[in-house]
Parts: sequence; C-alpha cells; structure tokens
Amino acid sequence: EDQVTQSPEALRLQEGESSSLNCSYTVSGLRGLFWYRQDPGKGPEFLFTLYSAGEEKEKERLKATLTKKESFLHITAPKPEDSATYLCARGIREKLTFGTGTRLTIIP
Amino acid sequence: DAGVTQSPTHLIKTRGQHVTLRCSPISGHKSVSWYQQVLGQGPQFIFQYYEKEERGRGNFPDRFSARQFPNYSSELNVNALLLGDSALYLCASSSVGGLQPQHFGDGTRLSIL
Repeated sequence: EDQVTQSPEALRLQEGESSSLNCSYTVSGLRGLFWYRQDPGKGPEFLFTLYSAGEEKEKERLKATLTKKESFLHITAPKPEDSATYLCARGIREKLTFGTGTRLTIIP
Repeated sequence: DAGVTQSPTHLIKTRGQHVTLRCSPISGHKSVSWYQQVLGQGPQFIFQYYEKEERGRGNFPDRFSARQFPNYSSELNVNALLLGDSALYLCASSSVGGLQPQHFGDGTRLSIL
C-alpha cells in the first residue's frame, strides 16, 4: 500500500524567495501523483496530475515534477496569496492516499 | 459551473448519536468518494461509489456507511458517534476513465461533544 511523505511540514518564505516542496512515496506502478492546494476551512483545490517519471507541469508560479520515487512542487517568486497547505497524493481508481501536507507561508 | 456541494457545512453532535452528511457531485461526474480529514493531517479515504455501487472502502469501522443515488448524489452515514469522529468530512467527485482528478467540496465540519 502506498505511503506518502511530504517535507518540510512547514515553510516560511519571503515574498519572491523561490523554493521547493517534496513528496516521496513507497509504491511505484500505475498510479497518478496529484498535487492539491488547501486554504483554511476549504476543501483541497486540484492543481496538477502527473503520471510518468520525467513529466512536468506548470501553472503560474508553480511547477510540478515527477521521478520514480518522488515529486517536487517548485514555487518561483511566490506572492502572499500563495500561502496555503499543499497536499500531494498517490491514487488509483479514485482512492487517493494523501501526505500530511506542507504549510507554506509567504511573508510580504 | 457548480462545484461539489456538501451539506451541512457545520454540525455538532454528542457521543452515541448518528449523522448523515450529503454531497452533490459536479454535473456529469458519476464517481463520488468520501474522505475524513483530522486537523493537521491529510484526508483519509473512506469510500468510493460509482454507478450506485461501492467500489472501494478504506480502513474505517462498520459504523461508517454510504450510498449513492440515481442522480449520483451521495450520503455518508456514521452511527454511534465517538469523540474521535470529530473531523472535516470531504466529498470528491470525478469523471470516469483513466486517472481523472478528483474535485473536492469544502466539506462538513463535524464536532462531537
């Protein structure tokens, strides 16, 4: 069964300071890797799906990459509105296994 | 387009009671999944329903049950509530085929006193 581990648990950055969030998992195979953003009191908001090692996807200041054992969410020149908890999940047939998330705070 | 809608948004119950949570999926989505999110943790899979049949179940006791209706909406029922059932209950819907992303509602915050 998949285990998903995210690091760091929390990250504080100055506005404009780029960084990366890590998501590692234990089971390879035909599963998707999903990134979500969750704001306080809200449900997770879908960001990206990655399927194959080497795949990359971008959206505004976010870029997600995938290897055989881990995924990275790179955030470039972040703004305060990027502050949120970022969750990654591995899934197959609509069953997602989530990590505990990285709580990202961008300081103006 | 309307997203996944859940009701109620908040609920307070006492130990031993039962609760029913409701979910309406995105129009055209036939698959509905339920997750429990405890504060500070990621969501944990409870059930998945497709075409009114249970297609997956997580590691939750039999006090948890669900069903899906012909219009693809769904209910999650929890009996004999325990303090540990306090959590945010999330519903997600997806279209069918491959590994389509699940889209989540904003959840029902359940507090057990």
